[in-house]
Amino acid sequence: AQTVTQSQPEMSVQEAETVTLSCTYDTSESDYYLFWYKQPPSRQMILVIRQEAYKQQNATENRFSVNFQKAAKSFSLKISDSQLGDAAMYFCAYENFGNEKLTFGTGTRLTIIP
Amino acid sequence: ETGVTQTPRHLVMGMTNKKSLKCEQHLGHNAMYWYKQSAKKPLELMFVYNFKEQTENNSVPSRFSPECPNSSHLFLHLHTLQPEDSALYLCASSQEGRTYNEQFFGPGTRLTVL
Repeated sequence: AQTVTQSQPEMSVQEAETVTLSCTYDTSESDYYLFWYKQPPSRQMILVIRQEAYKQQNATENRFSVNFQKAAKSFSLKISDSQLGDAAMYFCAYENFGNEKLTFGTGTRLTIIP
Repeated sequence: ETGVTQTPRHLVMGMTNKKSLKCEQHLGHNAMYWYKQSAKKPLELMFVYNFKEQTENNSVPSRFSPECPNSSHLFLHLHTLQPEDSALYLCASSQEGRTYNEQFFGPGTRLTVL
């Protein structure tokens, strides 16, 4: 079974600075997807960014980018120019290709310091 | 209403009560999910419905009973719950058959069992 590990329960960053959230996963599969979901205090979780394992290029969505290291099974999220609205729980998730079930990590609570 | 809605947002019940959680998705998706979110634990997938058919039941106790009358509505019937069942219950939906499974979440129901 796949597992997803987020070793940082809490992180904080100064507004306008850059922060990186860590995620590692364990799988024997070669085709899969990885996701970062954001859950703001209002609790509606939304997808931030996704990465296909077969793509070597790291995904980027505006201020959000990932560092995907397939051999190391690492999938970190970098948030640049942090904003107050980025404060949330961030969950890393894994999906086997063709399985359509998500396996989540325990989350990292990100605090933005004004 | 847009996206995924859940009612009620908060629920307090005794161990002998019977209550139901409701989820509705307005996205035209064909799959719906129930998750349990407890502090410091990964999201636990409870049930999956594809085209109204239950395809996943992750060893959930029988005191939780799901119902999916159509692809837009999902219920979770609760009876004789235990205090350890107190958690945030999230509903999600997705369009299965696509390349990757982006799930859209509702705001959750905060359940407290006394």
